[in-house]
Amino acid sequence: DAGITQSPRHKVTETGTPVTLRCHQTENHRYMYWYRQDPGHGLRLIHYSYGVKDTDKGEVSDGYSVSRSKTEDFLLTLESATSSQTSVYFCAISGRVGTSYNEQFFGPGTRLTVL
Amino acid sequence: GENVEQHPSTLSVQEGDSAVIKCTYSDSASNYFPWYKQELGKRPQLIIDIRSNVGEKKDQRIAVTLNKTAKHFSLHITETQPEDSAVYFCAVGDFGNEKLTFGTGTRLTIIP
Repeated sequence: DAGITQSPRHKVTETGTPVTLRCHQTENHRYMYWYRQDPGHGLRLIHYSYGVKDTDKGEVSDGYSVSRSKTEDFLLTLESATSSQTSVYFCAISGRVGTSYNEQFFGPGTRLTVL
Repeated sequence: GENVEQHPSTLSVQEGDSAVIKCTYSDSASNYFPWYKQELGKRPQLIIDIRSNVGEKKDQRIAVTLNKTAKHFSLHITETQPEDSAVYFCAVGDFGNEKLTFGTGTRLTIIP
Protein backbone atom coordinates (compact mmCIF):
# COMPACT_ATOMS: atom_id res chain seq x y z
CA ASP A 1 0.00 0.00 0.00
CA ALA A 2 2.83 2.40 -0.92
CA GLY A 3 3.80 2.98 2.72
CA ILE A 4 1.13 5.52 3.54
CA THR A 5 -0.86 5.68 6.77
CA GLN A 6 -3.46 8.01 8.21
CA SER A 7 -4.39 8.73 11.80
CA PRO A 8 -6.84 8.62 13.32
CA ARG A 9 -8.90 6.25 11.19
CA HIS A 10 -12.15 7.31 12.80
CA LYS A 11 -13.06 10.41 14.77
CA VAL A 12 -16.24 11.88 16.19
CA THR A 13 -16.08 15.47 17.35
CA GLU A 14 -18.34 18.37 18.14
CA THR A 15 -19.01 21.53 16.18
CA GLY A 16 -16.49 24.26 16.95
CA THR A 17 -13.66 22.01 18.10
CA PRO A 18 -10.28 21.89 16.34
CA VAL A 19 -9.32 18.67 14.59
CA THR A 20 -6.00 17.56 13.11
CA LEU A 21 -5.60 14.61 10.77
CA ARG A 22 -2.20 13.16 10.05
CA CYS A 23 -0.82 11.55 6.92
CA HIS A 24 2.50 9.72 7.14
CA GLN A 25 4.51 8.22 4.29
CA THR A 26 7.68 6.17 4.34
CA GLU A 27 8.69 6.11 0.67
CA ASN A 28 9.99 9.61 0.02
CA HIS A 29 7.26 10.81 -2.34
CA ARG A 30 7.58 14.49 -3.12
CA TYR A 31 3.90 15.37 -3.45
CA MET A 32 1.19 14.89 -0.85
CA TYR A 33 -2.53 15.64 -1.09
CA TRP A 34 -5.63 15.82 1.05
CA TYR A 35 -9.00 14.94 -0.49
CA ARG A 36 -12.47 14.67 0.90
CA GLN A 37 -14.94 12.12 -0.44
CA ASP A 38 -18.66 12.74 -0.31
CA PRO A 39 -21.53 10.94 -2.08
CA GLY A 40 -22.20 12.48 -5.46
CA HIS A 41 -19.02 14.56 -5.42
CA GLY A 42 -16.26 12.03 -5.90
CA LEU A 43 -12.83 13.03 -4.62
CA ARG A 44 -12.27 16.74 -4.17
CA LEU A 45 -8.86 18.24 -3.51
CA ILE A 46 -8.56 20.28 -0.31
CA HIS A 47 -4.85 21.16 -0.22
CA TYR A 48 -1.67 19.70 -1.59
CA SER A 49 2.07 19.97 -0.99
CA TYR A 50 4.92 19.90 -3.48
CA GLY A 51 7.70 19.90 -0.89
CA VAL A 52 8.55 20.67 2.71
CA LYS A 53 6.79 23.89 3.70
CA ASP A 54 5.42 24.27 0.16
CA THR A 55 1.66 23.96 0.00
CA ASP A 56 -1.19 25.22 -2.14
CA LYS A 57 -4.97 25.30 -2.09
CA GLY A 58 -7.27 22.91 -3.88
CA GLU A 59 -10.87 23.41 -4.94
CA VAL A 60 -12.46 23.08 -1.46
CA SER A 61 -9.91 24.66 0.87
CA ASP A 62 -12.17 26.96 2.90
CA GLY A 63 -12.13 26.00 6.59
CA TYR A 64 -8.98 23.87 6.25
CA SER A 65 -5.29 24.50 6.74
CA VAL A 66 -2.27 22.26 6.21
CA SER A 67 1.34 21.99 7.23
CA ARG A 68 4.29 19.96 6.04
CA SER A 69 7.40 20.35 8.19
CA LYS A 70 8.93 17.02 7.14
CA THR A 71 8.88 15.07 3.88
CA GLU A 72 7.01 12.20 5.48
CA ASP A 73 4.21 14.07 7.28
CA PHE A 74 1.32 16.16 5.98
CA LEU A 75 -1.19 17.49 8.51
CA LEU A 76 -4.71 18.67 7.79
CA THR A 77 -6.33 20.95 10.39
CA LEU A 78 -9.93 21.97 10.76
CA GLU A 79 -9.63 25.05 12.98
CA SER A 80 -13.28 24.99 14.03
CA ALA A 81 -15.11 21.91 12.77
CA THR A 82 -18.58 22.26 11.24
CA SER A 83 -21.16 19.61 10.35
CA SER A 84 -20.50 20.25 6.64
CA GLN A 85 -16.99 18.87 7.18
CA THR A 86 -18.36 15.45 8.06
CA SER A 87 -16.73 13.30 5.39
CA VAL A 88 -14.16 10.65 4.58
CA TYR A 89 -10.72 12.19 4.19
CA PHE A 90 -8.07 10.59 2.03
CA CYS A 91 -4.42 11.43 1.88
CA ALA A 92 -2.51 10.64 -1.32
CA ILE A 93 1.11 10.73 -2.40
CA SER A 94 2.95 10.86 -5.71
CA GLY A 95 6.25 11.74 -7.28
CA ARG A 96 8.73 9.15 -6.10
CA VAL A 97 11.45 8.35 -8.63
CA GLY A 98 10.60 5.08 -10.34
CA THR A 99 6.82 5.35 -10.05
CA SER A 100 4.50 6.15 -12.92
CA TYR A 101 4.43 9.89 -13.47
CA ASN A 102 1.40 11.47 -11.85
CA GLU A 103 0.21 8.20 -10.30
CA GLN A 104 -1.25 8.89 -6.90
CA PHE A 105 -1.29 6.33 -4.09
CA PHE A 106 -4.00 6.70 -1.49
CA GLY A 107 -3.99 6.18 2.24
CA PRO A 108 -6.68 4.11 4.02
CA GLY A 109 -8.86 7.12 4.81
CA THR A 110 -10.18 8.83 7.94
CA ARG A 111 -13.89 8.92 8.66
CA LEU A 112 -14.70 12.18 10.44
CA THR A 113 -18.08 12.90 11.97
CA VAL A 114 -18.85 16.39 13.29
CA LEU A 115 -21.90 16.48 15.56
CA GLY B 1 -10.00 25.03 -13.79
CA GLU B 2 -10.52 21.56 -15.20
CA ASN B 3 -14.08 20.18 -15.25
CA VAL B 4 -14.59 16.40 -15.43
CA GLU B 5 -17.96 14.80 -16.01
CA GLN B 6 -18.49 11.07 -15.56
CA HIS B 7 -21.42 8.93 -16.71
CA PRO B 8 -23.33 6.93 -15.74
CA SER B 9 -23.41 7.38 -11.96
CA THR B 10 -24.67 3.80 -11.52
CA LEU B 11 -24.39 0.80 -13.81
CA SER B 12 -25.63 -2.75 -13.43
CA VAL B 13 -24.56 -5.50 -15.82
CA GLN B 14 -24.97 -9.25 -15.99
CA GLU B 15 -21.91 -11.27 -15.14
CA GLY B 16 -19.98 -11.98 -18.32
CA ASP B 17 -21.27 -8.90 -20.14
CA SER B 18 -19.25 -5.75 -20.85
CA ALA B 19 -19.36 -2.43 -18.99
CA VAL B 20 -18.44 1.00 -20.34
CA ILE B 21 -17.94 4.18 -18.31
CA LYS B 22 -17.36 7.52 -20.00
CA CYS B 23 -15.71 10.78 -18.93
CA THR B 24 -15.45 14.15 -20.60
CA TYR B 25 -13.07 16.95 -19.68
CA SER B 26 -12.73 20.62 -20.49
CA ASP B 27 -9.02 21.53 -20.63
CA SER B 28 -7.46 20.60 -23.97
CA ALA B 29 -3.98 20.82 -22.37
CA SER B 30 -4.70 17.79 -20.16
CA ASN B 31 -2.60 14.79 -21.10
CA TYR B 32 -2.91 12.16 -18.36
CA PHE B 33 -6.07 10.08 -17.84
CA PRO B 34 -6.10 7.47 -15.05
CA TRP B 35 -8.91 5.26 -13.78
CA TYR B 36 -9.22 4.29 -10.13
CA LYS B 37 -11.24 1.48 -8.58
CA GLN B 38 -12.59 1.74 -5.05
CA GLU B 39 -14.05 -1.31 -3.37
CA LEU B 40 -16.47 -0.84 -0.51
CA GLY B 41 -14.71 0.58 2.53
CA LYS B 42 -11.32 0.60 0.81
CA ARG B 43 -9.01 3.18 -0.68
CA PRO B 44 -9.03 4.11 -4.41
CA GLN B 45 -6.43 2.22 -6.41
CA LEU B 46 -5.14 2.84 -9.91
CA ILE B 47 -6.22 0.18 -12.39
CA ILE B 48 -5.15 1.67 -15.71
CA ASP B 49 -4.00 4.97 -17.17
CA ILE B 50 -3.40 6.47 -20.58
CA ARG B 51 -1.38 9.40 -21.82
CA SER B 52 -2.31 11.75 -24.63
CA ASN B 53 0.09 10.28 -27.17
CA VAL B 54 -1.79 6.96 -27.06
CA GLY B 55 -5.36 6.35 -28.26
CA GLU B 56 -6.00 3.03 -26.55
CA LYS B 57 -4.45 0.90 -23.85
CA LYS B 58 -5.44 -2.58 -22.75
CA ASP B 59 -4.62 -4.69 -19.70
CA GLN B 60 -6.29 -8.10 -19.72
CA ARG B 61 -10.04 -7.47 -19.34
CA ILE B 62 -9.84 -3.70 -18.97
CA ALA B 63 -9.11 -1.09 -21.61
CA VAL B 64 -9.17 2.68 -21.86
CA THR B 65 -9.77 4.66 -25.05
CA LEU B 66 -9.04 8.34 -25.53
CA ASN B 67 -10.44 10.81 -28.04
CA LYS B 68 -8.50 14.04 -27.57
CA THR B 69 -10.36 15.89 -30.29
CA ALA B 70 -13.68 15.30 -28.57
CA LYS B 71 -12.11 15.50 -25.08
CA HIS B 72 -13.50 12.27 -23.79
CA PHE B 73 -12.16 8.92 -22.64
CA SER B 74 -13.77 5.66 -21.63
CA LEU B 75 -13.15 2.61 -19.46
CA HIS B 76 -14.16 -0.75 -20.93
CA ILE B 77 -14.43 -3.89 -18.82
CA THR B 78 -15.09 -7.14 -20.69
CA GLU B 79 -16.24 -10.51 -19.35
CA THR B 80 -17.29 -8.89 -16.08
CA GLN B 81 -16.94 -10.83 -12.85
CA PRO B 82 -18.42 -10.31 -9.36
CA GLU B 83 -15.12 -8.86 -8.12
CA ASP B 84 -15.49 -6.03 -10.63
CA SER B 85 -18.30 -4.60 -8.46
CA ALA B 86 -16.92 -1.32 -7.09
CA VAL B 87 -16.95 2.44 -7.61
CA TYR B 88 -14.82 3.61 -10.52
CA PHE B 89 -13.37 7.12 -10.81
CA CYS B 90 -11.86 8.74 -13.84
CA ALA B 91 -9.34 11.54 -13.38
CA VAL B 92 -7.55 14.10 -15.52
CA GLY B 93 -4.14 15.69 -15.12
CA ASP B 94 -1.17 17.08 -17.00
CA PHE B 95 2.59 16.56 -16.82
CA GLY B 96 3.31 20.12 -15.76
CA ASN B 97 1.04 19.90 -12.74
CA GLU B 98 0.90 17.06 -10.24
CA LYS B 99 -2.77 17.65 -9.47
CA LEU B 100 -5.58 15.39 -10.66
CA THR B 101 -9.22 16.36 -11.10
CA PHE B 102 -11.57 13.46 -10.42
CA GLY B 103 -14.95 12.59 -11.85
CA THR B 104 -17.86 11.96 -9.50
CA GLY B 105 -17.66 8.17 -9.76
CA THR B 106 -19.65 5.26 -11.19
CA ARG B 107 -21.01 2.52 -8.97
CA LEU B 108 -20.75 -0.69 -10.98
CA THR B 109 -22.75 -3.71 -9.84
CA ILE B 110 -22.23 -7.10 -11.44
CA ILE B 111 -25.36 -9.26 -11.31
CA PRO B 112 -24.55 -12.98 -10.91
